[in-house]
Amino acid sequence: GAGVSQSPRYKVAKRGQDVALRCDPISGHVSLFWYQQALGQGPEFLTYFQNEAQLDKSGLPSDRFFAERPEGSVSTLKIQRTQQEDSAVYLCASSLARPPFNEQFFGPGTRLTVL
Amino acid sequence: AQKVTQAQTEISVVEKEDVTLDCVYETRDTTYYLFWYKQPPSGELVFLIRRNSFDEQNEISGRYSWNFQKSTSSFNFTITASQVVDSAVYFCALSDPTSGTYKYIFGTGTRLKVLA
Repeated sequence: GAGVSQSPRYKVAKRGQDVALRCDPISGHVSLFWYQQALGQGPEFLTYFQNEAQLDKSGLPSDRFFAERPEGSVSTLKIQRTQQEDSAVYLCASSLARPPFNEQFFGPGTRLTVL
Repeated sequence: AQKVTQAQTEISVVEKEDVTLDCVYETRDTTYYLFWYKQPPSGELVFLIRRNSFDEQNEISGRYSWNFQKSTSSFNFTITASQVVDSAVYFCALSDPTSGTYKYIFGTGTRLKVLA
């Protein structure tokens, strides 16, 4: 079966550009998470959706970061006016049910490089 | 506050050696969940195991085994007879129940290099 997919896999942006990162979760998975992984570090939580509702966005580092999941399936993470410190791998994960009863399944990530 | 510490940044072993990856966690919750994930060079985090705080029974899966000890707040991972394919970064994670999100709190990871 298909796992979590993310696109693009690699993105290079000039400082100040807007970027959009896409996540296709496993079909039927209710929960969706976004994490940011800096080089040599563990992933850090950004935001959480349960179906289309964004229930937790406490990890978003600034108001330049915005995420949506309008139909409760595909999600998009948008970063406006990118800065060099935004360079990282952005991971998406989905889970079958409401937490905490199921593990999260991760996508391959999008590596964002801001020049 | 929740925290996960993986003190070993990098470990190198020769193939067929046993290796233990340490994980120490901090939480004030009485019910929590711990996880181990493997991140190979491809970058995708691969789920290995989930452990509930109320189940301290150790688990073995093939060459993998996990030792969960609440008394020392540790959840260590042992690979027996390591193989080159085990080379990866391994992350320990704790679920954070605040706000009902159960988002993961990850450690900084341990890079395992298995040499042929």
